[in-house]
Order: sequence, then C-alpha cells, then structure tokens
Amino acid sequence: NAGVTQTPKFQVLKTGQSMTLQCAQDMNHNSMYWYRQDPGMGLRLIYYSASEGTTDKGEVPNGYNVSRLNKREFSLRLESAAPSQTSVYFCASSDTTRETQYFGPGTRLLVL
Amino acid sequence: RKEVEQDPGPFNVPEGATVAFNCTYSNSASQSFFWYRQDCRKEPKLLMSVYSSGNEDGRFTAQLNRASQYISLLIRDSKLSDSATYLCVVTHQAGTALIFGKGTTLSVSS
Repeated sequence: NAGVTQTPKFQVLKTGQSMTLQCAQDMNHNSMYWYRQDPGMGLRLIYYSASEGTTDKGEVPNGYNVSRLNKREFSLRLESAAPSQTSVYFCASSDTTRETQYFGPGTRLLVL
Repeated sequence: RKEVEQDPGPFNVPEGATVAFNCTYSNSASQSFFWYRQDCRKEPKLLMSVYSSGNEDGRFTAQLNRASQYISLLIRDSKLSDSATYLCVVTHQAGTALIFGKGTTLSVSS
C-alpha cells in the first residue's frame, strides 16, 4: 500500500520557470491538501480539495494553481517560480469522516 | 498572533526522562486536536489524537483543556528514538485543513 506519493523528490528551478508537482493517493480519500514548510514558519496550507471537482485557497495560495484531476490525483503548479517559493512541499489526504491526514514524503524545491 | 502556539524548545533530555510539551490555540471553534511527529527531513505523521477526557498510548499521554484552550503531551521514560519535532495541530471541522503549530524539537541523549 503506497499511501501518498509525490514526484519529484527534488527540483531546482530558475526564477521564472514553471513546473508541476504531482501527488497521488491510493486510500480512496475524498480530501487532499498541499502544504509548504519553511524554517521558523511551520507548515502552511496552500490549497485544498474537499472532494473531486472542488478546490479552495488556503493560507498562502499566491503564485500557485492546483488541479484535482480525479479522486486520486491533486497537482500543484508554479507558473513562474520565484526564490520565495523555495520550500519543502507536502501533499496530504484524508477521509473526511476520520480526519487523520496522511502525508507524502515531500518535494524539496530550490528556486535560484 | 499565530493560531496555534507551542513551547519554542528545543528540549534536550537524557534517556529515561519525562518531558512535557504545551500548546495553546486561539480559535474556540476548533473541534479536533492532534499531536503529529516529524522526523528530520521526513513527512509529519500522526502520533495521537487528543480527547477532552485525556488519552494515553503507551508512554505518551495527551490532555485537552477546552476552557483554557490548552493541549499537552507528556512523554514518560524517553527513548533515543523519541528524538523528533512534535507538532501541535487543530482543525475546525473534519475534512478541512490542519492548522499547525511551529513544532517543538526534542533531543534525547544517552
């Protein structure tokens, strides 16, 4: 059982480049989330999707877009990367009735 | 003011020690409470949920005081493997985002 998977694990971008972070879960969860984690800031929510076909902004959505492709997959796109987006990005999923969120292993992104 | 505040740490304790972490939350509408554990350069993982009546899981005891909006985690007989960052987490309703504290780092030494 893979749980939550994320690709890529590491990425280096130049300012202005675009990329998509991929996330997939095999637990049949309804809700999926994207967080970023920065030193001294803790984890902060970027976007979430309560169910297939819906997405909502979190605490820090600027500079990002998301797509809930189907129940399994939730992608995060950086259209024009900035150094301020250097961070570790975590995807998570949960069953709305059981609350526990399960996290993927993270993507470490460096924007130069 | 951040919605979830934790002891700044770090906590450096010897093996076998008892250590307690505290956390306060500012939104009285918060419904669910958790402690997550995060190892260095790894993803957060659920340690335990926190219930109003208090709950225990082996060497770990969690307490919730809704009136004071205060959550605690007690670790007894610390092990080297307990070294990690402990994250205090609240949600407003099931299926919505987790709200994280910044975490408290524990280092257990032999």
